[in-house]
Amino acid sequence: ETGVTQTPRHLVMGMTNKKSLKCEQHLGHNAMYWYKQSAKKPLELMFVYSLEERVENNSVPSRFSPECPNSSHLFLHLHTLQPEDSALYLCASSQQLGQGTGANVLTFGAGSRLTVL
Amino acid sequence: AQRVTQPEKLLSVFKGAPVELKCNYSYSGSPELFWYVQYSRQRLQLLLRHISRESIKGFTADLNKGETSFHLKKPFAQEEDSAMYYCALSGNNYGGSQGNLIFGKGTKLSVKP
Repeated sequence: ETGVTQTPRHLVMGMTNKKSLKCEQHLGHNAMYWYKQSAKKPLELMFVYSLEERVENNSVPSRFSPECPNSSHLFLHLHTLQPEDSALYLCASSQQLGQGTGANVLTFGAGSRLTVL
Repeated sequence: AQRVTQPEKLLSVFKGAPVELKCNYSYSGSPELFWYVQYSRQRLQLLLRHISRESIKGFTADLNKGETSFHLKKPFAQEEDSAMYYCALSGNNYGGSQGNLIFGKGTKLSVKP
């Protein structure tokens, strides 16, 4: 599959579980993002990585822990989540951050639908 | 505060009718504005950006700084245009941070035959 791939597509977990979401891109992009999409709310930016360094943490609770081992992979580790964390988690990538034609042109994955019981 | 407002949750038109999806923004600097689209069972994807000044799938959008608007327009809607449309803003001095694309809540466009 080309573009941005997210696994798993669906995840159901209890509040005490530990799970991880995975995102992979082979577009040669340098920036990767995690967004949260809840019902009746706008897309919320969670984390931004540029060249494997975190450059943005949008006041996300510590029960969400991102990891970017290389420029092609991004993880979101989940621990002791709450039912209100149930949402669609979208990964995206772009050529670069900041200004320029490649910035802010995001390629999105299909998302991981998370349900916390 | 930086904000993107899409006042309509749902817009329903008939095929062949003109369509205008409204987007207003609040930003003190020089913003970049985008329209992203999500068709049924497909991923969110870029439709167009204001700096490109291009028409994509018959859609155009003009940045009006006086009215702080970036409305999306198409003269003749087609059934395949039915989708969720998101307006987004990127500021080059948003809190000193980069990579923060602010999205509106989205407007669902339904084009009826």
